[in-house]
Amino acid sequence: GQQLNQSPQSMFIQEGEDVSMNCTSSSIFNTWLWYKQDPGEGPVLLIALYKAGELTSNGRLTAQFGITRKDSFLNISASIPSDVGIYFCAGQLRENSGGSNYKLTFGKGTLLTVNP
Amino acid sequence: GAVVSQHPSWVICKSGTSVKIECRSLDFQATTMFWYRQFPKQSLMLMATSNEGSKATYEQGVEKDKFLINHASLTLSTLTVTSAHPEDSSFYICSAIRTGPNSPLHFGNGTRLTVT
Repeated sequence: GQQLNQSPQSMFIQEGEDVSMNCTSSSIFNTWLWYKQDPGEGPVLLIALYKAGELTSNGRLTAQFGITRKDSFLNISASIPSDVGIYFCAGQLRENSGGSNYKLTFGKGTLLTVNP
Repeated sequence: GAVVSQHPSWVICKSGTSVKIECRSLDFQATTMFWYRQFPKQSLMLMATSNEGSKATYEQGVEKDKFLINHASLTLSTLTVTSAHPEDSSFYICSAIRTGPNSPLHFGNGTRLTVT
């Protein structure tokens, strides 16, 4: 199926540094979502974006829904060791008809390592 | 707290046996649930869309007779891996969505299946 281009694939940073990752798509989405996955667990929702141009924050996390609806970025400020994990972007077409239009297309993930 | 519960969290079975995985939405009704499969260090791949009261919709390349999905109630979907083989060993994750606008997908904690 369709996949999003997520970059970078991995990042190694020092505690306290800021982090930025992004996703691009060849097609538009109506919703962009960012998830974090720890080993052996399911993805946990971080931020949901529903409107082109929308900029949303959740604590140290900030994400934006690109104007073209084909991209999104996630920033993490002042990273801490517990930020370690895999971050996934996901696009959703989402129309009123529901059903299969709610399914997500995932990026390949960004593995974040934070050195204390 | 968790809004989607998945059980079991891990299971080991012998080749040729069948395994059932349950996905429950907690405190909300989910007319649509999704089943994903994830291989190590890879992204989530959608297997099928589970629709309450009707047949599941399978993604291309997913054998519907091997991965049986039953969405018998508004809070429960089950995935049964029939006649399991070692290549079916994987991490299976379900997700559910609340009905209504701007409701993101929430994921269960996943089921680690090992077929010996």
